[in-house]
Amino acid sequence: QQQVKQSPQSLIVQKGGISIINCAYENTAFDYFPWYQQFPGKGPALLIAIRPDVSEKKEGRFTISFNKSAKQFSLHIMDSQPGDSATYFCAASRYTSGGSYIPTFGRGTSLIVHP
Amino acid sequence: DGGITQSPKYLFRKEGQNVTLSCEQNLNHDAMYWYRQDPGQGLRLIYYSQIVNDFQKGDIAEGYSVSREKKESFPLTVTSAQKNPTAFYLCASQAVPGGGEQFFGPGTRLTVL
Repeated sequence: QQQVKQSPQSLIVQKGGISIINCAYENTAFDYFPWYQQFPGKGPALLIAIRPDVSEKKEGRFTISFNKSAKQFSLHIMDSQPGDSATYFCAASRYTSGGSYIPTFGRGTSLIVHP
Repeated sequence: DGGITQSPKYLFRKEGQNVTLSCEQNLNHDAMYWYRQDPGQGLRLIYYSQIVNDFQKGDIAEGYSVSREKKESFPLTVTSAQKNPTAFYLCASQAVPGGGEQFFGPGTRLTVL
């Protein structure tokens, strides 16, 4: 059972365009929603994250939109650049009694930005 | 520089052999994780540990084992019981208490011949 569904699987945009990646989750116990960026052969790195008490968070060209009632969240990359070409993973994390968060990841979106 | 190191970057083993992947962190994080990444599958949790000498199974623990004898180290052993061990393995750590951000190592690509 796929608890976090991510779409599209791949995305091609032109330089300067807007890239949009969507995720949906099922478990209402999730309370931390990060997006990670991964370049080929490297480990993922946190790009931006949001908590469910906020509907939108913006950091530079990257924005997360969060819809708690629909259990959906999305990543918007404005003015997309060739250097943004990477794989993006959404995640939905639950807090544990031990104090850590356990994420469930989407399957990833491969973004290519053409010059 | 603080961070997570994984070694080796590439690892080749014969079928039926156990192999241990190294993960070391100097971030002073209590929680550490192991993930397996396959094309189109995202990251799947193998094991995690929130404190020394304690660890929990993730979603795909069968055929794997871990130990957590030191805070900074969380090695993963891929046993011969793992049916399809060829994959990219990622180690991560997280501060406890913390906001939930995970810090990842560069990964180890294991190929079983």
